[in-house]
Amino acid sequence: TAGITQAPTSQILAAGRSMTLRCTQDMRHNAMYWYRQDLGLGLRLIHYSNTAGTTGKGEVPDGYSVSRANTDDFPLTLASAVPSQTSVYFCASSERLAGNEQFFGPGTRLTVL
Amino acid sequence: AQSVAQPEDQVNVAEGNPLTVKCTYSVSGNPYLFWYVQYPNRGLQFLLKYITGDNLVKGSYGFEAEFNKSQTSFHLKKPSALVSDSALYFCAVRDPHSNYQLIWGAGTKLIIKP
Repeated sequence: TAGITQAPTSQILAAGRSMTLRCTQDMRHNAMYWYRQDLGLGLRLIHYSNTAGTTGKGEVPDGYSVSRANTDDFPLTLASAVPSQTSVYFCASSERLAGNEQFFGPGTRLTVL
Repeated sequence: AQSVAQPEDQVNVAEGNPLTVKCTYSVSGNPYLFWYVQYPNRGLQFLLKYITGDNLVKGSYGFEAEFNKSQTSFHLKKPSALVSDSALYFCAVRDPHSNYQLIWGAGTKLIIKP
């Protein structure tokens, strides 16, 4: 079982360009999450989805959008990247509630120049 | 405001010695508490959680954590540290105003020296 896969592993992106980070899970989890991890700041939630067809904003949603067309996929889009979006991005999922543990993907390291 | 604090940026322990990684929280209601570990260049892995019941929770890789309601703490412990335990450790608590969101600590880097 793969769990959660993310693509790409890393990317260098010019400022102003758009990009979609892909995330797929095979555990049939209802809830999915996108986090960014920055040194000294821990994990910050960008967007989440509690079930297919619904999404919500997290702590730092500006500049990012998500969609949840089906249970397995939860792509994160940067419409016009800025250098402050340089970070490591993690996708995660959980069965339903936050009382359940979250399972994390391997991450995407994004550099915006 | 709801929050989680990991007061130590880094903890150094000699191999074979007991280790403690500290976590305190501030949330309304009964807390759901979690510990995760992150090895270099990897995603986070779940270690253990406390929801209710026994205050001492046992988890993966020989780790355990003690819930202390009066001190609002959930410290991670292991009786005998291994070099392979060296990693970044995160404490988290469920946001009581959301069924889906966790409030994360900033992380503690654990270094186990041979």
